[in-house]
Amino acid sequence: GESVGLHLPTLSVQEGDNSIINCAYSNSASDYFIWYKQESGKGPQFIIDIRSNMDKRQGQRVTVLLNKTVKHLSLQIAATQPGDSAVYFCAENHGNDYKLSFGAGTTVTVRA
Amino acid sequence: ETGVTQTPRHLVMGMTNKKSLKCEQHLGHNAMYWYKQSAKKPLELMFVYSLEERVENNSVPSRFSPECPNSSHLFLHLHTLQPEDSALYLCASSQEAQAQGLAFFGQGTRLTVV
Repeated sequence: GESVGLHLPTLSVQEGDNSIINCAYSNSASDYFIWYKQESGKGPQFIIDIRSNMDKRQGQRVTVLLNKTVKHLSLQIAATQPGDSAVYFCAENHGNDYKLSFGAGTTVTVRA
Repeated sequence: ETGVTQTPRHLVMGMTNKKSLKCEQHLGHNAMYWYKQSAKKPLELMFVYSLEERVENNSVPSRFSPECPNSSHLFLHLHTLQPEDSALYLCASSQEAQAQGLAFFGQGTRLTVV
């Protein structure tokens, strides 16, 4: 069956360092991927998305990389700040099916 | 604030109680969603409404009953729940159901069934 997962449930990073959060997916037909951030006590918030016709997409301090060969997605956060502490999870869907499959999440803790 | 408001923020209910969760959005979106988020588990889609019609019922037990009286409001009626139903229930909305990935989420209702 389909599954979307993250490699590590937790990540501790020093403030100012770069963070890399990984996600693996199993459905080779997936063509749209999203990263979300969920802060404590809040709902998920869209960070960045990428379509399967791209390998890389950059936002403000964030970069998403897509490796379709190994079905791997990553989120890079540059110069991690205390406000980046949150749970990050990926999601994917394919075709016209609007149903997203979500990963379980990686909890990122930023050390001062 | 995302523009999606959920009430109550916290709810404790017994297994024989009947309660309702409310979601409201004034973003002009046509699609609304209910999700369940359990600890250490991926987000689970429960229901999808598009233009007030239910377009997805993701094998959710009948003890959860959604209602969408208009495009701005969504309810989740709860009755005879089980302790394993304790979770964070999230509402979201998007411009259309095909734009689920771009949905705005509410802050959720933390439900505890005792």
